[in-house]
Amino acid sequence: QKEVEQNSGPLSVPEGAIASLNCTYSDRVSQSFFWYRQYSGKSPELIMSIYSNGDKEDGRFTAQLNKASQYVSLLIRDSQPSDSATYLCAVNTGGFKTIFGAGTRLFVKA
Amino acid sequence: KAGVTQTPRYLIKTRGQQVTLSCSPISGHRSVSWYQQTPGQGLQFLFEYFSETQRNKGNFPGRFSGRQFSNSRSEMNVSTLELGDSALYLCASRGGREGTEAFFGQGTRLTVV
Repeated sequence: QKEVEQNSGPLSVPEGAIASLNCTYSDRVSQSFFWYRQYSGKSPELIMSIYSNGDKEDGRFTAQLNKASQYVSLLIRDSQPSDSATYLCAVNTGGFKTIFGAGTRLFVKA
Repeated sequence: KAGVTQTPRYLIKTRGQQVTLSCSPISGHRSVSWYQQTPGQGLQFLFEYFSETQRNKGNFPGRFSGRQFSNSRSEMNVSTLELGDSALYLCASRGGREGTEAFFGQGTRLTVV
């Protein structure tokens, strides 16, 4: 079982819709969770971090964490073509080690 | 405030050679982690350094090594290069201790021929 799992996609949504990206992780003691956005040919860019159960909102982005279900998600409201990228879920599994999922490709159609 | 700086940006090496990549973290950050990114395997954790000590490492062979200096700059070395080592190597710096936010450099694209 992979430590951090994401649906590879592509996930295609129309402009203005809500894009929902999901991630599950295997290590129950994980405490820190991150979402990164990576455009083709670029390095990952941190867009959200979440450390406790519940929702965290930042502009059009909302991260949701459910530690009991070992599940973290990212919602992007009012999706724009510029949001088209690969979204990476990252989990700190304790100590100095952060593991990344394989990423979900998002395509927002104009 | 300057971001994470990786040098060089691009490298072409021959099988069997060795290579050293450099990473300068954000000023004040003491933790540097290294990742290998390939289309087939995604982002794979190599190792993380904090205060000049390797704190954790991933499942890579001993040909991959690193170090961190007192100014927090880090180097990664790959010896006896193989074709499969061709990848984007990314480093990320972290301001706090483990588990806090990390910020990536632009990466070094290594091609082994």
